[in-house]
Amino acid sequence: GAGVSQTPSNKVTEKGKYVELRCDPISGHTALYWYRQSLGQGPEFLIYFQGTGAADDSGLPNDRFFAVRPEGSVSTLKIQRTERGDSAVYLCASKLAGHSYNEQFFGPGTRLTVL
Amino acid sequence: TQLLEQSPQFLSIQEGENLTVYCNSSSVFSSLQWYRQEPGEGPVLLVTVVTGGEVKKLKRLTFQFGDARKDSSLHITAAQTGDTGLYLCAGGRGRGSYIPTFGRGTSLIVHP
Repeated sequence: GAGVSQTPSNKVTEKGKYVELRCDPISGHTALYWYRQSLGQGPEFLIYFQGTGAADDSGLPNDRFFAVRPEGSVSTLKIQRTERGDSAVYLCASKLAGHSYNEQFFGPGTRLTVL
Repeated sequence: TQLLEQSPQFLSIQEGENLTVYCNSSSVFSSLQWYRQEPGEGPVLLVTVVTGGEVKKLKRLTFQFGDARKDSSLHITAAQTGDTGLYLCAGGRGRGSYIPTFGRGTSLIVHP
């Protein structure tokens, strides 16, 4: 079946603009994660959804970042008033709910560049 | 603060050589996962280890979880060019909301 997809694959924006990044998880996966990966770093946790609700948003760096998953499937990460420091690859992952360490399946990421 | 330290950060070897990469922490993890990531792609899970002292083998890859569940190693025998990539370890704590903490990764290049 299809894996996790993310759109767009690349996004270039200007400082101060608003951006939305989309994640389509694997069908039937109730858990969804967003991560941010900067150059030379591992993925950094941002937010975790179980179904429609954000079960843990402790990784969001500030209130410019927000994410939704209104129907428990597709999720959108929203960044307001973008800053140059927001430039990174934003990764989405989904997994079956249940056992804590069952496999997460990652999408290819969206590379965000803020000029 | 990097909770998981990976070493070495970079590794460049010839095909056929053996190598070991390390993942160390001062914290105890209930589980530890190893991923491989290629450029332009998301990480792909290689293995999960959950028991202190556990050893798992995946073809030419051998993974070990330290007895105290604070460290892990990945050993590759007779490396191939297809092993090139970024190797990431990720530690998880407890059950329920599983939030993995990733290390910075080891970038491996295997030359033909």
